[in-house]
Amino acid sequence: EAQVTQNPRYLITVTGKKLTVTCSQNMNHEYMSWYRQDPGLGLRQIYYSMNVEVTDKGDVPEGYKVSRKEKRNFPLILESPSPNQTSLYFCASSLLAFKGETQYFGPGTRLLVL
Amino acid sequence: TQLLEQSPQFLSIQEGENLTVYCNSSSVFSSLQWYRQEPGEGPVLLVTVVTGGEVKKLKRLTFQFGDARKDSSLHITAAQPGDTGLYLCAGSTSGTYKYIFGTGTRLKVLA
Repeated sequence: EAQVTQNPRYLITVTGKKLTVTCSQNMNHEYMSWYRQDPGLGLRQIYYSMNVEVTDKGDVPEGYKVSRKEKRNFPLILESPSPNQTSLYFCASSLLAFKGETQYFGPGTRLLVL
Repeated sequence: TQLLEQSPQFLSIQEGENLTVYCNSSSVFSSLQWYRQEPGEGPVLLVTVVTGGEVKKLKRLTFQFGDARKDSSLHITAAQPGDTGLYLCAGSTSGTYKYIFGTGTRLKVLA
């Protein structure tokens, strides 16, 4: 089944404890992206990747890191999480980086930073 | 930061009523998409519009892209409870592959 998977789905952590949220897609998509969703603010793009080893900042990259060593995986790293990073995170992928391509979203990761 | 503003933010209507959701920006978009999101799930694409003035229909849903490609609307005819959800517009502007999402319209259709 074609899908985007994220792990973990739920995570509670404490300020400063490094964490990684994994994202994997099995559709051979080139474009992958991370978003956070907060009430009243919609989805905001954190980072995106147009292909292996090619990443760029979205609108809210501060406090996050990403890497794209393989086409299928795009992990999101929070080196020193803070409470303002408590949010619902979505990974998404699309076949190409062309505008208007359908983005397929993962099920989301709900993060609480204490 | 470019913004996509949606209105209304919340909408509660009776089954059978019609409604329109708006998505506006001061920026020109090369294409614009509409997604629907159910609780606990990621957004799912409904439609993509790419040409100024374009109108697309998906059963009871009609999507329009403004002539200047700065705005879009979603019209639902004879809403049904199954239309309940969060509707999001999204797009990217020329010269960038960043995606911007609107603030969302939460629709509730009462039986």
